[in-house]
Amino acid sequence: KNEVEQSPQNLTAQEGEFITINCSYSVGISALHWLQQHPGGGIVSLFMLSSGKKKHGRLIATINIQEKHSSLHITASHPRDSAVYICAAPREYGNKLVFGAGTILRVKS
Amino acid sequence: DGGITQSPKYLFRKEGQNVTLSCEQNLNHDAMYWYRQDPGQGLRLIYYSQIVNDFQKGDIAEGYSVSREKKESFPLTVTSAQKNPTAFYLCASSILPDIRGTEAFFGQGTRLTVV
Repeated sequence: KNEVEQSPQNLTAQEGEFITINCSYSVGISALHWLQQHPGGGIVSLFMLSSGKKKHGRLIATINIQEKHSSLHITASHPRDSAVYICAAPREYGNKLVFGAGTILRVKS
Repeated sequence: DGGITQSPKYLFRKEGQNVTLSCEQNLNHDAMYWYRQDPGQGLRLIYYSQIVNDFQKGDIAEGYSVSREKKESFPLTVTSAQKNPTAFYLCASSILPDIRGTEAFFGQGTRLTVV
């Protein structure tokens, strides 16, 4: 079993739809990261959260520490949201993040 | 603007040759990292450095080498000993020495193809 698992692997949505990407992890946690990778390859950090919920524009990230589960929601999705979304959880020991394989999101107009 | 610059974006090399990937940051971050990304897999840590003149092996360091002579620069050399070097390589930095509890900043990546 992977230490960090994301679902779904691929997601296609129509513009305007509400989108949810899930992340389950088995490693210890201080803060979980959500990242966005655009087609060119560069990665941008979206959120780092250790409890509750964070919101930035149309993006909302939630985390349940007891269940070791986090979700990334996109409201009113737009084609420019098309990207790979990656969650990463910290290992309990060592200066390391464990990355999920990513969710490929395509939003059609 | 502050950020991380990786160069080149695309790199082609013949099998058996060493190749060095550049990573420069002007964020004044102490910690820098190199990751490898393969299709369908999460990023894997190659090497990291928390301070100048010091670096640590990550999970897949074999066949790679790094140096950290300056705070701004953390070049990665892919040696001929790396059995499967074709991949996408990402450099990152964090303001705190421990990436687990701080925001990470990534470069645009270098796609290396060995023929």
